[in-house]
Amino acid sequence: AQSVTQLGSHVSVSEGALVLLRCNYSSSVPPYLFWYVQYPNQGLQLLLKYTSAATLVKGINGFEAEFKKSETSFHLTKPSAHMSDAAEYFCAVSRRNSQGGKLIFGQGTELSVKP
Amino acid sequence: EAEVAQSPRYKITEKSQAVAFWCDPISGHATLYWYRQILGQGPELLVQFQDESVVDDSQLPKDRFSAERLKGVDSTLKIQPAELGDSAMYLCASSHKGLAGAPTDTQYFGPGTRLTVL
Repeated sequence: AQSVTQLGSHVSVSEGALVLLRCNYSSSVPPYLFWYVQYPNQGLQLLLKYTSAATLVKGINGFEAEFKKSETSFHLTKPSAHMSDAAEYFCAVSRRNSQGGKLIFGQGTELSVKP
Repeated sequence: EAEVAQSPRYKITEKSQAVAFWCDPISGHATLYWYRQILGQGPELLVQFQDESVVDDSQLPKDRFSAERLKGVDSTLKIQPAELGDSAMYLCASSHKGLAGAPTDTQYFGPGTRLTVL
């Protein structure tokens, strides 16, 4: 069975500081991994995804994540936080199969950015 | 840019009433998903369609929930009767059908329907 654990339900950083959101996964087969962002009362928007190509994945809005198989991690980072980054972030895992695509989400991490 | 459409955006109902949510996926997307997101949690898959066929409804409470995608395009999710515990955001997502005949991996989400059951 696949699962995702996001460490820290709430992270607070200052504007301009490094953002680090942690995600660990469990999967018996090579996973596909995703980070989504959700603004209040809105749907989810894909930030980036790992699909077994390069282990360092660059996404939108300056975010990137590194797949580390040895640590079963897929942490999300951004060098310099902006006020507009304040939102809920979800890590998700899926396993490609003939009917593919089911996403299993973590509990989410709320990011606050202080001026 | 094409988007997944959902309506209504907000729904307030009393317990034991029936409610229905509608989703129109991005044009050409063969796979459609309904997720439920309880406040403070990540979304959980309720049902997945490939064209008009259900391929995964293992987490759908079938005694009260039903979903259909009759023509393989838009979809309706129904709850009857609604219970207090059904209060949540209901998200619809869609994805392409890949070259191998299986869905690709990027799911595009709609804005969701926030349901409040009183």
